Amino acid sequence: EAQVTQNPRYLITVTGKKLTVTCSQNMNHEYMSWYRQDPGLGLRQIYYSMNVEVTDKGDVPEGYKVSRKEKRNFPLILESPSPNQTSLYFCASSGTVNTEAFFGQGTRLTVV
Amino acid sequence: QQPVQSPQAVILREGEDAVINCSSSKALYSVHWYRQKHGEAPVFLMILLKGGEQKGHEKISASFNEKKQQSSLYLTASQLSYSGTYFCGTEMITGGGNKLTFGTGTQLKVEL
Repeated sequence: EAQVTQNPRYLITVTGKKLTVTCSQNMNHEYMSWYRQDPGLGLRQIYYSMNVEVTDKGDVPEGYKVSRKEKRNFPLILESPSPNQTSLYFCASSGTVNTEAFFGQGTRLTVV
Repeated sequence: QQPVQSPQAVILREGEDAVINCSSSKALYSVHWYRQKHGEAPVFLMILLKGGEQKGHEKISASFNEKKQQSSLYLTASQLSYSGTYFCGTEMITGGGNKLTFGTGTQLKVEL
């Protein structure tokens, strides 16, 4: 089954404690991206990757890191989480930027 | 820069029609439409590429006017299952490659 898998689905953490949200896709897609969703602000892109080893900042990259060492995985790293990073996060993948994107089920992160 | 969607919210009676608009201040290469139901991930509806073409998906269709940098989503004879938040995504060229940016969403509720 074609899918994008995010883990964990829910996470509560404390300010400053490094965390990683994993994202994996099984569709051999080149293009992957991370979004955060906050009420009234829609989906805002954090980072995107056009292919392995090529990543670029989205609209809200501050406080986040990513890596794309292999095609299927695109982890999101928060080196020092802060409460303003409390949000719902989605990973998405597609063959290219202008083909159908498949979204993971989301990770609800709370930073206290 | 996020595209602007209008209206922000709309309530319909079953069977009524609706139009959701999406506009950008930048040149667009493609426009995507997604629907998100409460508590779920966004799901792909359609993509429109440059050329002003109109696409259809059952009773949901869309148009793309690349000169005006606008797209509209048309929902005809709405059904209860159409309820959700609709997002447009616009593909723009950047220094790092083309990227997809989503709008703030339009909440659609269909009632009996």
